[in-house]
Amino acid sequence: QKEVEQNSGPLSVPEGAIASLNCTYSDRGSQSFFWYRQYSGKSPELIMSIYSNGDKEDGRFTAQLNKASQYVSLLIRDSQPSDSATYLCAVHSSNDYKLSFGAGTTVTVRA
Amino acid sequence: NAGVMQNPRHLVRRRGQEARLRCSPMKGHSHVYWYRQLPEEGLKFMVYLQKENIIDESGMPKERFSAEFPKEGPSILRIQQVVRGDSAAYFCASYLGQTDTEAFFGQGTRLTVV
Repeated sequence: QKEVEQNSGPLSVPEGAIASLNCTYSDRGSQSFFWYRQYSGKSPELIMSIYSNGDKEDGRFTAQLNKASQYVSLLIRDSQPSDSATYLCAVHSSNDYKLSFGAGTTVTVRA
Repeated sequence: NAGVMQNPRHLVRRRGQEARLRCSPMKGHSHVYWYRQLPEEGLKFMVYLQKENIIDESGMPKERFSAEFPKEGPSILRIQQVVRGDSAAYFCASYLGQTDTEAFFGQGTRLTVV
């Protein structure tokens, strides 16, 4: 079982719609959860951090965490063409301090 | 406050040569990760270091690859006797440590082995 799994995508959404990204993780000792955005040919950019169960909103982005289900999600509201990128879910383990990444979900926002 | 700095941005090496990749973490950060990314693939963990210590090198090939993070200066990822399969983007990320685990990435080094 992979440590971090994401819905494989690719995901295509029309401009203005909501993009929904999902992620599950295997290490129950994980305490910190992150979403990164990576444009083609660029480095990953941290866009959201979440540490406790529930929702966290930052602008058009909302992260959701459910530790009991070992599930993290990211919603992008009012999607824009500039949101077209690969989104990476990352989980930081408090056991071995490793920051593990999912394979990423590529999102394309159609104008 | 400068971000994570990696150099060189692009590196071309002939098969059998050595590649040295440098990573200067953000100011105050004492934890560094190195990752490798092949085109159209995800980030593969290589090694996790703290100042003067290798904490976890489970993702790094045991031969030809080594990493260090000295008390002074940047973290170095060293690849000896490079082969074509080593061609990839290598990213480092740093974080402050303790309760602050937000990791920030450098711009990466694109290694091409010819």
